Amino acid sequence: DAGVIQSPRHEVTEMGQEVTLRCKPISGHDYLFWYRQTMMRGLELLIYFNNNVPIDDSGMPEDRFSAKMPNASFSTLKIQPSEPRDSAVYFCASSLVDRGLIMEKLFFGSGTQLSVL
Amino acid sequence: DAKTTQPPSMDCAEGRAANLPCNHSTISGNEYVYWYRQIHSQGPQYIIHGLKNNETNEMASLIITEDRKSSTLILPHATLRDTAVYYCIVRPLNTGFQKLVFGTGTRLLVSP
Repeated sequence: DAGVIQSPRHEVTEMGQEVTLRCKPISGHDYLFWYRQTMMRGLELLIYFNNNVPIDDSGMPEDRFSAKMPNASFSTLKIQPSEPRDSAVYFCASSLVDRGLIMEKLFFGSGTQLSVL
Repeated sequence: DAKTTQPPSMDCAEGRAANLPCNHSTISGNEYVYWYRQIHSQGPQYIIHGLKNNETNEMASLIITEDRKSSTLILPHATLRDTAVYYCIVRPLNTGFQKLVFGTGTRLLVSP
């Protein structure tokens, strides 16, 4: 398996522009997570999906952030309009609930380095 | 969730064992100890987890004290590729999803 695939690897944009980050989870996984990592705040969970349905978006910082999962193999995280403080590395992760409904490990993608100028 | 305390950084010589400590003195009976690591410019990677017995897999060994208030991750023969930030996380292992809360971790530097 290719693992969790994120694109783009790097994104540089100007303040006010719309940014869309993309993620392809591991085939067969039924949970998908979006994390954000900054030097100041470390790794933060933004939102997660189960079977394509958003379950908890309490970590989404503002209404400027939105996430969708139209099918089991694709998810997007959109920022509109973007601001310089959104600059961070955004990670997507997926997982599978098995072995008696117990989730053991998350598989992370390589992340998208976002820079908003 | 119980909080964890880890040293901010450690050094290790290549080929030697790296022993990374973690303190989780407020751990509850149903909480597991998880270890992840993050190599530079990559996403976190699962290493190992355990409840109270020592665990070993192809990547590392996990030693949990009898009172479960602390644990040690052991990389038996560290290589340069093991240079990374290592996160110790405590969370309950119940049905469904449990949020992973990453702290600041230990930055391990393996040198030739």
